[in-house]
Amino acid sequence: DAKTTQPTSMDCAEGRAANLPCNHSTISGNEYVYWYRQIHSQGPQYIIHGLKNNETNEMASLIITEDRKSSTLILPHATLRDTAVYYCIVSLYNAGNMLTFGGGTRLMVKP
Amino acid sequence: GAVVSQHPSRVICKSGTSVKIECRSLDFQATTMFWYRQFPKQSLMLMATSNEGSKATYEQGVEKDKFLINHASLTLSTLTVTSAHPEDSSFYICSASQGGGSETQYFGPGTRLLVL
Repeated sequence: DAKTTQPTSMDCAEGRAANLPCNHSTISGNEYVYWYRQIHSQGPQYIIHGLKNNETNEMASLIITEDRKSSTLILPHATLRDTAVYYCIVSLYNAGNMLTFGGGTRLMVKP
Repeated sequence: GAVVSQHPSRVICKSGTSVKIECRSLDFQATTMFWYRQFPKQSLMLMATSNEGSKATYEQGVEKDKFLINHASLTLSTLTVTSAHPEDSSFYICSASQGGGSETQYFGPGTRLLVL
């Protein structure tokens, strides 16, 4: 699986949009970009995934660059409960395929 | 989304005893489940891949005789830490995916193991 690079930490003001970047310059053509988050002492929570096109769901939006070498997760209106470690992972879309977790980005949402 | 549960949520045991952790997919069937371990201030590390009806595949450095994995049904996988020692104290997390066109992995809430 391709490796990802994320900033170690970020701050965001409550109510503002949180934009979390991820670089995955070695991504292959059939690998998807997944985003998970882990709130302290809990299991990771699935947020969103995409292949080429931008995606949006009730939690977030995922913007993937045209060359697919980077992406941005957008939380449109961050709340204090969004404080967590956010993991960007690239992986094949395969039920039998493991996910390789990097260090992630520790997002701190501040009042 | 799909729901994965784990039991127990936390366990304290004496050194030398064995501990069993259950992972269940509550509203879907999972051909494949994964077991991860997370030490404090570190990321998740895959321990093994559990396939229903067959032997688990362990990652390099994970002792298969110490971490016994059984995937007896499409909704249940168990991890048994045998002869636990203090260095096995960690946060153990399982995940599962539905398959059949919905390959997103969903994670359990984790089990915190403390070996005294």
